[in-house]
Amino acid sequence: GQQLNQSPQSMFIQEGEDVSMNCTSSSIFNTWLWYKQDPGEGPVLLIALYKAGELTSNGRLTAQFGITRKDSFLNISASIPSDVGIYFCAGSLTGTASKLTFGTGTRLQVTL
Amino acid sequence: NAGVTQTPKFQVLKTGQSMTLQCAQDMNHNSMYWYRQDPGMGLRLIYYSASEGTTDKGEVPNGYNVSRLNKREFSLRLESAAPSQTSVYFCASSERWDYEQYFGPGTRLTVT
Repeated sequence: GQQLNQSPQSMFIQEGEDVSMNCTSSSIFNTWLWYKQDPGEGPVLLIALYKAGELTSNGRLTAQFGITRKDSFLNISASIPSDVGIYFCAGSLTGTASKLTFGTGTRLQVTL
Repeated sequence: NAGVTQTPKFQVLKTGQSMTLQCAQDMNHNSMYWYRQDPGMGLRLIYYSASEGTTDKGEVPNGYNVSRLNKREFSLRLESAAPSQTSVYFCASSERWDYEQYFGPGTRLTVT
């Protein structure tokens, strides 16, 4: 099945640094979602994007829906230790039956 | 408000045994989903129910069956468990089939 390419696969950053990650697809999507998963927990929705070019913020998180509809970006500003986890992107194409396609995740570790 | 709940949280089965994973949501969502998560593979859709009374196969349905018991509950059954079904299983729900999906805490299944 199709998967989205997320990069980087993992990253180590220092507390206070800004973080950028992205997700690319060979197919276009109408919806891009970003989730965070903590160890032993289910994914938690962070941001939803519904329009090409859209830029949406949720606290220190900002995500963008790429103009080509084939990519999306997530930025975290001034990282803190609780930002540690795995970040997943997911895309869907409205009109096809109910399928979210997930990326393989970016593992973020924050050092003090 | 519990959101999406799953039982059990952990399970160990022997090859050939059967079991049912339970999922319930209290958000009055119409659509429900079952995913499996394996290392390096991201989340893959097993089955989904776009609305009460309907179920459809996802990306990896072989070896599984589902039942949409009512609007709140969606169960996943393994009739004859195999080691390849060792995974973490997540249930999710959404208001409509193309809206944001909200995940439960997961069931960690080991088949020996």
